[in-house]
Amino acid sequence: GAGVSQSPSNKVTEKGKDVELRCDPISGHTALYWYRQSLGQGLEFLIYFQGNSAPDKSGLPSDRFSAERTGGSVSTLTIQRTQQEDSAVYLCASSPSDPEFRPQHFGDGTRLSIL
Amino acid sequence: TQLLEQSPQFLSIQEGENLTVYCNSSSVFSSLQWYRQEPGEGPVLLVTVVTGGEVKKLKRLTFQFGDARKDSSLHITAAQPGDTGLYLCAGPNRDDKIIFGKGTRLHILP
Repeated sequence: GAGVSQSPSNKVTEKGKDVELRCDPISGHTALYWYRQSLGQGLEFLIYFQGNSAPDKSGLPSDRFSAERTGGSVSTLTIQRTQQEDSAVYLCASSPSDPEFRPQHFGDGTRLSIL
Repeated sequence: TQLLEQSPQFLSIQEGENLTVYCNSSSVFSSLQWYRQEPGEGPVLLVTVVTGGEVKKLKRLTFQFGDARKDSSLHITAAQPGDTGLYLCAGPNRDDKIIFGKGTRLHILP
């Protein structure tokens, strides 16, 4: 079956521009996470959506970052007025509602480069 | 705050050697997951351990969950270059949010 799909796979933009990153989760998965991964580093949590609950935005690094999830499915991560330090791979993961296991299924990420 | 600490941070060994990497916490987790991430890809789930003391084997990989469910280990026997990657452990915190350790970056030299 289809896995988690992220687009674009690569994005190069100039400093100060806004960017939108898209995540199509696996159908039926209620949880959706966004992470940021800098070169050679681990995963930095950004935001977490679970069903119809208010999202956990505690990982967003600044108010330039925002995310929404429409209809409990597709999610977009928006970065306004991009800075060079925003350059990283942005990963999306979705997981089912099983409270015990909740394995995460990751997309291959969007590699964002800010010039 | 529940944290998962992974060690070592980096490990480079020769093909054919054995190795163990660790995932530790001061908190109890209901389950722990191990993922492997290869360059240019997202992490892929290897295993979930649920029961204290549980041991799971995946070919040459052996995963163990500590008796107190505060730690886990991953042992690789006769490492191969294909085992190279970033190994991440993860588990649900008290708010049911999955948290990740910072990972062990493993490099197997041919």
